Amino acid sequence: DQQVKQNSPSLSVQEGRISILNCDYTNSMFDYFLWYKKYPAEGPTFLISISSIKDKNEDGRFTVFLNKSAKHLSLHIVPSQPGDSAVYFCAASARNNAGNMLTFGGGTRLMVKP
Amino acid sequence: KAGVTQTPRYLIKTRGQQVTLSCSPISGHRSVSWYQQTPGQGLQFLFEYFSETQRNKGNFPGRFSGRQFSNSRSEMNVSTLELGDSALYLCASSLLSHSYEQYFGPGTRLTVT
Repeated sequence: DQQVKQNSPSLSVQEGRISILNCDYTNSMFDYFLWYKKYPAEGPTFLISISSIKDKNEDGRFTVFLNKSAKHLSLHIVPSQPGDSAVYFCAASARNNAGNMLTFGGGTRLMVKP
Repeated sequence: KAGVTQTPRYLIKTRGQQVTLSCSPISGHRSVSWYQQTPGQGLQFLFEYFSETQRNKGNFPGRFSGRQFSNSRSEMNVSTLELGDSALYLCASSLLSHSYEQYFGPGTRLTVT
């Protein structure tokens, strides 16, 4: 039972255009969402997060949108750069967890073409 | 500030053996979590330690265990290795309880033959 799903295993965009990565979740107890970027042979790097009390959070070229009614979040990267090519994971956490447990989606491989 | 470090980076073991992986969190971080990444299952939560106490455990068999020391360093142990245990094992640290943002190490690539 996958509680966090990234339905697109890969995405290819042209440099300078917008990249939109999507993520769906099923557990209504999730109240905090994060995006991580992962390069080969490295651990995931924290990118941006959003609390369930917000519907948008922006950090430079990265914006995360949260639609709680649809249980859907998306990461927008504008403009996309070749260095953004990596695997992107969305993750979710629930406040009623005893600790810091993240549930991850399966990842989306983003390729930004020069 | 130094990041999360994991040792060893690569490991090859034989089925039936046991293995211990080590993780040193970012200085000052007290929570350490472990994740397993495989091509088929993605990133899955193993367990989390905070102040030497296990607070959460994922859905893994008892062959997977861990501990945390007073300096927040953590080890995980896998006994009676199976071929399916081949994976990238990632350690993540965070400052406090319910910090949400976790900072990952580079991982230990375990291959079981």
